[in-house]
Amino acid sequence: SYELTQPPSLSVSPGQTATIPCSADKLGNRYVCWYNQMPGQSPVLLIYQDNKRPSGIPERFSGSNSGNTATLTISRTQALDEADYFCQVWVNNTAIFGGGTKLTVL
Amino acid sequence: QVTLRESGPALVKPTQTLTLTCTFSGFSLRTHGVCVSWIRQSPGKAPEWLGRIDWDDDKYYNTSLKTRLSISKDTSKNQVVLTMTNMEPVDTATYFCARLMATEEGFDYWGQGTLVTVSS
Repeated sequence: SYELTQPPSLSVSPGQTATIPCSADKLGNRYVCWYNQMPGQSPVLLIYQDNKRPSGIPERFSGSNSGNTATLTISRTQALDEADYFCQVWVNNTAIFGGGTKLTVL
Repeated sequence: QVTLRESGPALVKPTQTLTLTCTFSGFSLRTHGVCVSWIRQSPGKAPEWLGRIDWDDDKYYNTSLKTRLSISKDTSKNQVVLTMTNMEPVDTATYFCARLMATEEGFDYWGQGTLVTVSS
């Protein structure tokens, strides 16, 4: 089965750039979406089609996807960006989520 | 304004069947390309996709749960119903419904989720 691998946790200092990887075999051949989720809240779509932002998502959030790794980049990280981040792809009409990365801003 | 809201029992007993309803507004499941998915999330875990129903009534299920799942829609009521049989304690999770306009566009709107606990 196809699996998306993310580091369980990452930390970043306020104002710095956070890069969250998502890895899988030939991931660059698939479209990747990214979501964040605050505690007790529903996930929010941040990025779709590798690098597109839905309306209302700040430009600080960007995405890329090549080879075996997709990356979510958060520029000028703020305390309110502290959340869980999940990547997601479709494989054979099945949605697959990564295990998630807990981003700590400190 | 697009909204989705899940409703159903908060507690079910082992072996029982779970039925959840997703009531939505701001879009129609008669519109070409529109889909609604069910996704669940156990505490501290990643979301797990359960299945999806499309505007044309095509349905897709998580292969590992396929024998236990059924998704249907009532377009006149703007509702999508999830049925999951033979519930077990490991099925305890928050269950979400979410809209999907196209697979490459992601789940753009989510309900608030409903916590379902499976316990005797």
